[in-house]
Amino acid sequence: AQSVTQLGSHVSVSEGALVLLRCNYSSSVPPYLFWYVQYPNQGLQLLLKYTTGATLVKGINGFEAEFKKSETSFHLTKPSAHMSDAAEYFCAVSDPYSSASKIIFGSGTRLSIRP
Amino acid sequence: EPEVTQTPSHQVTQMGQEVILRCVPISNHLYFYWYRQILGQKVEFLVSFYNNEISEKSEIFDDQFSVERPDGSNFTLKIRSTKLEDSAMYFCASRDRVVGELFFGEGSRLTVL
Repeated sequence: AQSVTQLGSHVSVSEGALVLLRCNYSSSVPPYLFWYVQYPNQGLQLLLKYTTGATLVKGINGFEAEFKKSETSFHLTKPSAHMSDAAEYFCAVSDPYSSASKIIFGSGTRLSIRP
Repeated sequence: EPEVTQTPSHQVTQMGQEVILRCVPISNHLYFYWYRQILGQKVEFLVSFYNNEISEKSEIFDDQFSVERPDGSNFTLKIRSTKLEDSAMYFCASRDRVVGELFFGEGSRLTVL
């Protein structure tokens, strides 16, 4: 079975500071990995995804994540936080070999930005 | 840009009543999903649907739940007899290939009194 663990239910950073949201996965096969963002009272929006190929993936809004197989990690980073980045962030995993594969979400990390 | 649309955005119902949540997936997508998010908690998988049948369902998706694609465009989630613990945000999602990202709707908030 696949799963993701997000370390830290709440992260607070100052505007302009580095954002680092941690995600570790568990999977018996090479996984597909995703980061989704959820703004208050809205749906889930894809930030970025890793399927195959380059392990450093860039997403929208200046975010990027690196797939590290040796560490089973897929941490999300952004060099300089902006007030508009305040939201809930979900790491997610799916099995690329499973028909109609569902995506399994982590418990989420709420990102707050201090002025 | 194509998007997944859900109705209603918010529904309040009495315990024991039937509820139908509706979704219109992106038109060329073939795989459909329902997820649930209880307030302040994680997004949980309920069910996946492909080729007019359920592909997979979670333990949450018991006999009180059903899904249907009645007319080739809508995808519905029915809860036959709602319970207080069914109060949550329900998200519909779709994808066009077997694997890849899911595209989510804005959600339907269900409040059971």
